[in-house]
Parts: sequence; C-alpha cells; structure tokens
Amino acid sequence: DAGVTQSPTHLIKTRGQHVTLRCSPISGHKSVSWYQQVLGQGPQFIFQYYEKEERGRGNFPDRFSARQFPNYSSELNVNALLLGDSALYLCASSPNLVLWTSGKITDTQYFGPGTRLTVL
Amino acid sequence: AQKVTQAQTEISVVEKEDVTLDCVYETRDTTYYLFWYKQPPSGELVFLIRRNSFDEQNEISGRYSWNFQKSTSSFNFTITASQVVDSAVYFCALSASMDTGRRALTFGSGTRLQVQP
Repeated sequence: DAGVTQSPTHLIKTRGQHVTLRCSPISGHKSVSWYQQVLGQGPQFIFQYYEKEERGRGNFPDRFSARQFPNYSSELNVNALLLGDSALYLCASSPNLVLWTSGKITDTQYFGPGTRLTVL
Repeated sequence: AQKVTQAQTEISVVEKEDVTLDCVYETRDTTYYLFWYKQPPSGELVFLIRRNSFDEQNEISGRYSWNFQKSTSSFNFTITASQVVDSAVYFCALSASMDTGRRALTFGSGTRLQVQP
C-alpha cells in the first residue's frame, strides 16, 4: 500500500506570493494533519481535517488555510509569504478523528516525506 | 500547556556503542500518550513506538528499548550496539487531551544522532 504522498517535493517562492501544497493520505485514512518544521526544530501542528471539516488548529496566522476533498486528499495554502515561512511542511494521515480514546490507543499518525518551501 | 523537552541537541557515537536519547514531558492530563519518531535525511518521520500513561512497563524491541518513568516525566530511548544506519534525528512527541484534544502531536526539538563507523 502506498504511504502518504506530498507534492511538490521542493518549492521556491518570493515574499508576498501564495503557495499551495498537496497531500494524499494513506488509503482508508480520513484524517489529514499538517505540520510545519522549521530547520533545527520539531514539527509544529498547523491543522487537522477530518471528513472535509477543520477539526483542529494550531497557533498559526490566518494566512494559513487548508481544505480537504471528498477523496480525503488535502491542500495547505499560505498567503502573503514571509521569510519565516521557509520550512519543511509535513502531512500526516490517520484513520480516525482522534489518536486515542479512554486510555486505549487507536491510531498513529503516518507522515509523508514533506514539501520543502524556501521563501526568498 | 503541553511541552516536550529534548535537552540533547546532538550526540555522536562510534558504531556498536550504546546510546540513550532523553525526553522529558509536561502535561496536566492524567491520560496521555508518548511517541518516538525517527527522521532520516530523507525527511520523512518514521514511527518507532508509542506508550500510554498507564503502562510504565519498559519495552525492548531488537536493539531498541524504552524507559518510561511517570515519577520523573521521562520517556527515554536507548539504541544498543548502534549502527551507521541509525544516524538520524529522533523526536519525542506527546498527545494529550488538552490543547490538541487527542488529535495532534506535540514534538520536542529533536536529537541528532550521528553514528560514526
């Protein structure tokens, strides 16, 4: 089975531009989450989408938005790019809305290879 | 708020040495899960292990072992007889009810492990 796929692999943009990143989850997974990983740091949660609805949002400005399609694939959009948006953007999929319930593990998030965005 | 601290920024060992990666976490929740992920140079995060807050039994899986201690809020990871292929950045992560509502992971800043031949 194919894992999580992301496109493009690399992207170079200039300040003020807009960018769209794409993610296809593992087949059967309904939840897609986006993370930003700045060089030298751990990934930071941006969004979670489940059944085409936003179900979680991290501490990111409104310039960041996302959506999920009927086939559960997802797009992350970033407007008015800043130099500080340069990072590896990771997509993760999991089967259900939450990772665990009532003390029992339910799911694990499986990550794609990421899209490396460079803003000049 | 949840927080994960990996104080070791970079560790360098010679092949066949044992190495332990430290992880300290903070959460107000009584139920939570802890994870370890590996990130090789390709960039993809690879899931290694998860533990819940009720299970302090330590585990060994091949050359990997994990030491979970609630009393010290630590979830350390040991590689026995390290190999060059173990070279990667290792992340400890936490999932709790608060903040992320059991839907996302809070990651530490990672520990870069270099295994020299």
